[in-house]
Amino acid sequence: QVLLEQSGAEVRKPGASVKISCKASGYTFINHYMHWVRQAPGRGLEWMGTIDPSGGSTTYAQNFQGRVTMTRDTSTSTVYMELSSLRSEDTSVYYCARVDCSNGPCPGLEYFQHWGQGTLVTVSS
Amino acid sequence: DVQMTQSPSSLSTSVGDRVTITCRASQRIDIFLNWYQQKPGKAPKLLIYAASRLQSGVPSRFSGSGSGRDFTLTISSVQPEDSATYYCQQSNITPFTFGGGTKVEIK
Repeated sequence: QVLLEQSGAEVRKPGASVKISCKASGYTFINHYMHWVRQAPGRGLEWMGTIDPSGGSTTYAQNFQGRVTMTRDTSTSTVYMELSSLRSEDTSVYYCARVDCSNGPCPGLEYFQHWGQGTLVTVSS
Repeated sequence: DVQMTQSPSSLSTSVGDRVTITCRASQRIDIFLNWYQQKPGKAPKLLIYAASRLQSGVPSRFSGSGSGRDFTLTISSVQPEDSATYYCQQSNITPFTFGGGTKVEIK
């Protein structure tokens, strides 16, 4: 079965960076785009961006442009999300989420069928 | 960005009741609207995609409808395990955006 295993909780000081991993198993890694979604405590869901694990191309939400970098390692079926210049407002649970469609983009059908368990990032001085 | 407005933000209901949650997009998004259920401390779970398609394994008491700007999620007969927060998400255009959520409490 599809499993997305994320790295553990992190604590960072303002201005620092954090890199979270999401290890995929149970399917062909390069066939499905991966997305990152975050959720601040008690708040709603916010889409951060996506990566094509096949070629590594990325699309980021404007809100995170210049601060977020998504990468992948096909040898370990792992995607990474690095967020820099952290501020207190970045304190959130970060989720990786896999789309259902395979082998390329599927305009309109980027719904998130599988989710990681979430990684809490706390930004505090 | 496409703004997604959900209503109500919360509701209290009884087992067996019919519940309807609405989601309005700030612009037309065809049928590219998805619904998720989230329980405390857990990742969201996909319920409905493409406005009305029931995700495999989701109970048939959940249904979705709508197109264009206006969408609804209906729970035909609420069960105790449906206590959760529900989110809509548009996948028509990036940045993909979510509604603010509807918290459903079972009395």
